[in-house]
Amino acid sequence: GIQVEQSPPDLILQEGANSTLRCNFSDSVNNLQWFHQNPWGQLINLFYIPSGTKQNGRLSATTVATERYSLLYISSSQTTDSGVYFCAVTGRSGGSNYKLTFGKGTLLTVNP
Amino acid sequence: NAGVTQTPKFQVLKTGQSMTLQCAQDMNHEYMSWYRQDPGMGLRLIHYSVGAGITDQGEVPNGYNVSRSTTEDFPLRLLSAAPSQTSVYFCASSQLRNQPQHFGDGTRLSIL
Repeated sequence: GIQVEQSPPDLILQEGANSTLRCNFSDSVNNLQWFHQNPWGQLINLFYIPSGTKQNGRLSATTVATERYSLLYISSSQTTDSGVYFCAVTGRSGGSNYKLTFGKGTLLTVNP
Repeated sequence: NAGVTQTPKFQVLKTGQSMTLQCAQDMNHEYMSWYRQDPGMGLRLIHYSVGAGITDQGEVPNGYNVSRSTTEDFPLRLLSAAPSQTSVYFCASSQLRNQPQHFGDGTRLSIL
């Protein structure tokens, strides 16, 4: 099946700093989503972005499907940005096209 | 509009017991799925459904059973609980399979 790798696995920032999280995937995708899991365990959908660029406030994401990667940018980070960020994809081919496969996540800690 | 509702939030079982985790959505979504989240493993797909009466296996289906008799409900049954099934379980839904996923708040399950 499709493989999803996220980097870095852990990231510690001071409030106000910017960061870039990366997601590499091993095959063509129909679907790519970024999620934030907050410290209470809730999973929030940030972006649905199989290709192109989107922005939502201080967050933006870019997916370059032909090169099989996606980037999540967080600007002017706040303590409420802390948590785990997951990338998840659905492959185009065969039996993987119904299955959302998650990476292992990036644990972000923003210190005041 | 409650979104995706999971019950119970917490549960402790003894090995060999059976139970059903409930999932309901009020968004008229066709696609529903169950994931388990284990430390260091990310989220892994257990079962999914593309509509009422249609279900299929995900990455880790063994020991679990599902049915989808209505659009709104997608219960997950543990047939004979084992300690390896101790995990946090998430239910998700989307309008179609390659659309943004909406997650419930999870069920934390411990099996002794």
